[in-house]
Amino acid sequence: GEDVEQSLFLSVREGDSSVINCTYTDSSSTYLYWYKQEPGAGLQLLTYIFSNMDMKQDQRLTVLLNKKDKHLSLRIADTQTGDSAIYFCAETPRGGGSQGNLIFGKGTKLSVKP
Amino acid sequence: KAGVTQTPRYLIKTRGQQVTLSCSPISGHRSVSWYQQTPGQGLQFLFEYFSETQRNKGNFPGRFSGRQFSNSRSEMNVSTLELGDSALYLCASSFPDRVHTEAFFGQGTRLTVV
Repeated sequence: GEDVEQSLFLSVREGDSSVINCTYTDSSSTYLYWYKQEPGAGLQLLTYIFSNMDMKQDQRLTVLLNKKDKHLSLRIADTQTGDSAIYFCAETPRGGGSQGNLIFGKGTKLSVKP
Repeated sequence: KAGVTQTPRYLIKTRGQQVTLSCSPISGHRSVSWYQQTPGQGLQFLFEYFSETQRNKGNFPGRFSGRQFSNSRSEMNVSTLELGDSALYLCASSFPDRVHTEAFFGQGTRLTVV
């Protein structure tokens, strides 16, 4: 079945780069997403990548997609304490193109130490 | 413009009762999706409504139901509450068309069943 997996925790020092990894199972996913959730808040879309792309860069964020291995990563450059949050990887299910029905990983809790 | 509004923010109910949660999407958005977030299961898709019709449904029992009104506002209902229904319920709205669009999440309703 469809599944998205992520490691649960990541701890880095302020100023370092953070790399959050994700594996997914549905090779027909059109889009793959990274969301951020801060305590007591809903989800905020950080970035997404279309399945025919290998990389997408948006300011401090770099997304890498390896379709062969079904591996997605999010790199945050110059990580700040304000980046401390839970990061979710998500995919669209088979044939889906909208974000109306997403399959989420369980989230990676990023802790940034000063 | 105003974001996605979910009411109430917090709710405490007793086992066996029923509950109705409300979601007001961003103006102009016609798609509303609901997700359940728990520490054990993570984020799971409940259902998606578009133009007052349920478009997709997740793998939840029939006790979970929803509807969408002509102004795109949506409600979800859970009948015969169980302790395991305690969760953060998130609503997301988007303006779906053929081109990828972003879904915006509300802050959620925290339901506690005692």
